[in-house]
Amino acid sequence: SQQGEEDPQALSIQEGENATMNCSYKTSINNLQWYRQNSGRGLVHLILIRSNEREKHSGRLRVTLDTSKKSSSLLITASRAADTASYFCATFRQGGKLIFGQGTELSVKP
Amino acid sequence: DGGITQSPKYLFRKEGQNVTLSCEQNLNHDAMYWYRQDPGQGLRLIYYSQIVNDFQKGDIAEGYSVSREKKESFPLTVTSAQKNPTAFYLCASSTTSGGVATDTQYFGPGTRLTVL
Repeated sequence: SQQGEEDPQALSIQEGENATMNCSYKTSINNLQWYRQNSGRGLVHLILIRSNEREKHSGRLRVTLDTSKKSSSLLITASRAADTASYFCATFRQGGKLIFGQGTELSVKP
Repeated sequence: DGGITQSPKYLFRKEGQNVTLSCEQNLNHDAMYWYRQDPGQGLRLIYYSQIVNDFQKGDIAEGYSVSREKKESFPLTVTSAQKNPTAFYLCASSTTSGGVATDTQYFGPGTRLTVL
């Protein structure tokens, strides 16, 4: 069963703009992770935020987590054409399983 | 180079045939996973293994089988019982702590299976 719901399903922006993707989930979590997938490739881990953290940064990435609303957001600042990919949130639950959302397809136009 | 390899990259199968997808890792990870991805969808867990000679069903195990005879290898067989096998298959691995998988998963490049 899918845990996460991502919004929007698709996002198209110009190079240099910021991109914000949202993820909502249903049950309690240990941590939430964001992954990136280039077309036809495997997933690459971007960032992990634990349930007791509210915000985390990594380079041009900023992730927030609101456990009271069961939601997270991923912000990519100053986007580049190379950021074009699908982005997935995944919630880590007890027992070692990751549950993935359906993803946001980001297109950054040069 | 450390990492996860999957082979083949593309696989074609006739209806009624079983096929086996390979997944190998040299990251010394105890846990390994198989996911299925359909167009425009997220990943769904087929099987996972947290230690050699042990594995558990995921959310969509019907029509699939796995083995975990070696730490480095976790092959997936798509059987003729899987009614709609055309999809993109991803293998992943992670470390464990106390016998339970931890945090980040590392993914292979995937195998695209098409049933003719």
